[in-house]
Amino acid sequence: NAGVTQTPKFRILKIGQSMTLQCTQDMNHNYMYWYRQDPGMGLKLIYYSVGAGITDKGEVPNGYNVSRSTTEDFPLRLELAAPSQTSVYFCASSQGGTPEETQYFGPGTRLLVL
Amino acid sequence: GDSVTQMEGPVTLSEEAFLTINCTYTATGYPSLFWYVQYPGEGLQLLLKATKADDKGSNKGFEATYRKETTSFHLEKGSVQVSDSAVYFCALSAHNTDKLIFGTGTRLQVFP
Repeated sequence: NAGVTQTPKFRILKIGQSMTLQCTQDMNHNYMYWYRQDPGMGLKLIYYSVGAGITDKGEVPNGYNVSRSTTEDFPLRLELAAPSQTSVYFCASSQGGTPEETQYFGPGTRLLVL
Repeated sequence: GDSVTQMEGPVTLSEEAFLTINCTYTATGYPSLFWYVQYPGEGLQLLLKATKADDKGSNKGFEATYRKETTSFHLEKGSVQVSDSAVYFCALSAHNTDKLIFGTGTRLQVFP
């Protein structure tokens, strides 16, 4: 049971380039989330999904897009990379989306935009 | 809006010392409260949680009690080990939502 996996682990982008951060979970969870973690800050929610075909914006969605075509996968797309998007990105999943639910996190993708 | 405030780090301790990391929150209703831990180079993992007032969450020797009267969820451990060195995040999910709101994290460094 791998849990939540993310690729790549690290990437350097030039300003204006695009890329997709991959996230896969094998726990059959309905809910999936993308967060970013800036230095010295807590995690901020970018987008989330309550099931295949359903996505919604979180606190900081600008500059990102997501899709959820399957239960397992929840890719995050950066269309025009900007230095402000330099961050560590974490994907997470949970079973039921209730307030007391535990979220399970992937190991993160470190992104540097130059 | 809802928020979580944690004490700033780093917290530096010798092995076997007592640990307290303060966490207070602001929320409407009755949130669920969590402590997540992030070991170097890894993602976050749940350490413990409490879902109602006066509940005590515990795991791996760590404890935290949900104090509604002081809106606090302080993390404690009686005797820390070098392997406890990590960043600790306090978080809440507000009533009727699964969205987590995180504090800024507190780095703990334990030396032999």
